[in-house]
Amino acid sequence: DADVTQTPRNRITKTGKRIMLECSQTKGHDRMYWYRQDPGLGLRLIYYSFDVKDINKGEISDGYSVSRQAQAKFSLSLESAIPNQTALYFCATSDATGKGSNQPQHFGDGTRLSIL
Amino acid sequence: AQKITQTQPGMFVQEKEAVTLDCTYDTSDQSYGLFWYKQPSSGEMIFLIYQGSYDEQNATEGRYSLNFQKARKSANLVISASQLGDSAMYFCAMREGWTGGFKTIFGAGTRLFVKA
Repeated sequence: DADVTQTPRNRITKTGKRIMLECSQTKGHDRMYWYRQDPGLGLRLIYYSFDVKDINKGEISDGYSVSRQAQAKFSLSLESAIPNQTALYFCATSDATGKGSNQPQHFGDGTRLSIL
Repeated sequence: AQKITQTQPGMFVQEKEAVTLDCTYDTSDQSYGLFWYKQPSSGEMIFLIYQGSYDEQNATEGRYSLNFQKARKSANLVISASQLGDSAMYFCAMREGWTGGFKTIFGAGTRLFVKA
């Protein structure tokens, strides 16, 4: 089983719909992240969380919200989806050992989201 | 302003030759970490190599090395003896320090094509 699991893997929906993308991990990491990937723009950070009570906005948080339900679960919501939120979304985790500076991120397989 | 800049959208290299992928970064922190990830066409994100800001020697991992020039704020990835399987997107990332909230941000990526 994957260490970082994202559901769903693919989703097509309509403008204005509420969408939730879920991420769960079995790595026991405290830190979790949501990124979106667009061609030519790389990965842009949406939100990140360093523990259950810690949620931080990233580079592009407008139009998104998150919930850290448990150490192992971090979900991303689009309250009212719009077409320019069509992208590949990645969840990632990292360990906080030694302040985490040298710990790489571990990524899920991504969720491909299309908003019509 | 871009904090991670990858100026080469695409690169070609002949099989068995070495290639350098450029990355410059911007931070006011003294303590930070630099990472390179590979994303093959299948989409997963694969960690390649890490360089800490206080590391005096350039990091190496097999055929990957990181040419770290701290004063110039550059962290170029060098791939020696390129193989066809190296064809992929490559992302440079920085884990910021205290002033950046310890978050990890990515560059736009470089697509590498290895020619037979």
